[in-house]
Amino acid sequence: LAKTTQPISMDSYEGQEVNITCSHNNIATNDYITWYQQFPSQGPRFIIQGYKTKVTNEVASLFIPADRKSSTLSLPRVSLSDTAVYYCLVGDGNDMRFGAGTRLTVKP
Amino acid sequence: DTAVSQTPKYLVTQMGNDKSIKCEQNLGHDTMYWYKQDSKKFLKIMFSYNNKELIINETVPNRFSPKSPDKAHLNLHINSLELGDSAVYFCASSQQGAKNIQYFGAGTRLSVL
Repeated sequence: LAKTTQPISMDSYEGQEVNITCSHNNIATNDYITWYQQFPSQGPRFIIQGYKTKVTNEVASLFIPADRKSSTLSLPRVSLSDTAVYYCLVGDGNDMRFGAGTRLTVKP
Repeated sequence: DTAVSQTPKYLVTQMGNDKSIKCEQNLGHDTMYWYKQDSKKFLKIMFSYNNKELIINETVPNRFSPKSPDKAHLNLHINSLELGDSAVYFCASSQQGAKNIQYFGAGTRLSVL
C-alpha cells in the first residue's frame, strides 16, 4: 500500500486559493490518486481523482508531477463552507486506506 | 433517492447488548465497506465485500460480524457491545476497479453506555 503524508491542518481566508499537498513516495504504477472531503457529522465525499498531469472539475484541480510522488489539491476561492477534512488516497482499487487527512479551516 | 443509506442514524445502547446496523446501496456497485471513525476522527476500514464475498477483514474483534445477503446490502452485527465500540460507523460502496471511487452513507453514531 502506498503510504500518504499530508499536513495535519491548514488555515485560510475566504476568497483565497488553497493548495493541499500529499506525498506518496512509493506510489505504484497502477495506483490512482483520489481526494475526498468530509464535513462534520457526514461521510466522506469524492472530490477529484487523477493518474498524472492535471485534472480539473467544477470543484477543484489536481496537479500531479511527472514522478507522481506527490499531488496537490487546489481549491479556488474558498468559502466558509469549504471548512472540512480533506483526505488523499492512493491505490489501485484493491485496498485503499484513509490517512489522518488535512483539516482545513476557512476564516472570514 | 439516497445512494447509500444506513439505518439507524443514531444508536444508544447498554454494554453487553447486541445491535445491528443496516446498509443498502442503489448504485449497482459490487463492492461494499464498513468503516469506523472514532473520537480522534481516524477513519479505519473494518470490512470489504465484493459480490457478497469477504475481501478485506481488518483486525476487528470477532464480536463484529458483517453479513451481505446480496450485493446491494451489507449489514453489521455487533455482539456484546463494549464502551470502546462507541464511534461513528460508515458504510460505503464502489464499483470494483482501479479507480474505485467510494460513495459513503451518512453514518451511524453508536453510543455504548
